Amino acid sequence: RKEVEQDPGPFNVPEGATVAFNCTYSNSASQSFFWYRQDCRKEPKLLMSVYSSGNEDGRFTAQLNRASQYISLLIRDSKLSDSATYLCVVRGVRNQGGKLIFGQGTELSVKP
Amino acid sequence: EAQVTQNPRYLITVTGKKLTVTCSQNMNHEYMSWYRQDPGLGLRQIYYSMNVEVTDKGDVPEGYKVSRKEKRNFPLILESPSPNQTSLYFCASSLRGARRNTEAFFGQGTRLTVV
Repeated sequence: RKEVEQDPGPFNVPEGATVAFNCTYSNSASQSFFWYRQDCRKEPKLLMSVYSSGNEDGRFTAQLNRASQYISLLIRDSKLSDSATYLCVVRGVRNQGGKLIFGQGTELSVKP
Repeated sequence: EAQVTQNPRYLITVTGKKLTVTCSQNMNHEYMSWYRQDPGLGLRQIYYSMNVEVTDKGDVPEGYKVSRKEKRNFPLILESPSPNQTSLYFCASSLRGARRNTEAFFGQGTRLTVV
């Protein structure tokens, strides 16, 4: 079983749509969670951290469910510029050197 | 400007010819790492370093070496490249790895082809 699992998509949605991605992680001791965005084989960039209480940044909302070990990302009012691959990332526990463990990524394509 | 710089961006080489991909960061980060990205497999960690002279294997270290003689530099060395090392490589740095919610900054990537 992969340590971080995501549906690879692609998700094809029209502009203005609301889209949600889920991700599951296997290590219940994981402490830090993130969503990164990657455009067309460029470097990943931090979209947002995910906090236990959930957090929002403009049109983006991230949620964490520790009991079920899943993380979600909700994008409201999708824009063409949201087209990218979204990477669910979990920071490894202390004996893993704090490394970042990446999901495979979910591809989003927003169409006019 | 805070950044991670990788060189070269693109490289085509032949099997067995030693090569080095350089990585440098200007943020005084302790933690640096190398990833490779392959279709369907996502980003996988090759090696990481918690500080100067401290390096350790990641998930896919075979065929690679690293060194960390200075805090800012973390080169990736392929002593004898093989075609299965054809991939997109990313260097990343962050403050000490175990800190919560510490953002990782990535270099622009090196697309390596081994023929």
